[in-house]
Amino acid sequence: SAVISQKPSRDICQRGTSLTIQCQVDSQVTMMFWYRQQPGQSLTLIATANQGSEATYESGFVIDKFPISRPNLTFSTLTVSNMSPEDSSIYLCSVAGRQLYEQYFGPGTRLTVT
Amino acid sequence: DAKTTQPNSMESNEEEPVHLPCNHSTISGTDYIHWYRQLPSQGPEYVIHGLTSNVNNRMASLAIAEDRKSSTLILHRATLRDAAVYYCILRLQGGSEKLVFGKGMKLTVNP
Repeated sequence: SAVISQKPSRDICQRGTSLTIQCQVDSQVTMMFWYRQQPGQSLTLIATANQGSEATYESGFVIDKFPISRPNLTFSTLTVSNMSPEDSSIYLCSVAGRQLYEQYFGPGTRLTVT
Repeated sequence: DAKTTQPNSMESNEEEPVHLPCNHSTISGTDYIHWYRQLPSQGPEYVIHGLTSNVNNRMASLAIAEDRKSSTLILHRATLRDAAVYYCILRLQGGSEKLVFGKGMKLTVNP
């Protein structure tokens, strides 16, 4: 299994500002994923982050709004840029396990934009 | 990705078996059936997966219909800790590791 931590666990931000969320894994992993979970909703994949290459974004998500870094095999960041109240969500990172059929999720970052 | 359909919610009683259904009538021959669950205020966790044969692990059993158009996650003895949103997800064999979550099904366990 993989143990994933995220920082911050929660934050309240002003509209127009940016927040960078960190995701740390206790082992080296090839693929990391970033999801968004809006209040009362299911999870939506934002992007897939591979080390050494540009992140791959899903439809409806763009790099200018959600820039992602993946400097090594145990760490990634997601920035939520120029925030609006609609960005209020839980942001989760996940990694594919060694067995690939299993993904491990972080505890999430609860973001409130006022 | 092929679509899955689950009831919005179900209730069960503690220490009784509970069967969680999932329909996936457009499943392809190379789609794996995965189940994840999300406990309150936590990230999702893997429960079980299968392709054609029924599967058992320490958490649950997965019964897959012969035509693979439906499957059932079986919790043999529900506990209060099993109260969660359960997601039935199809993943292409050998395809991307990404997961496409549907709406899921909320399981309530009554003491």
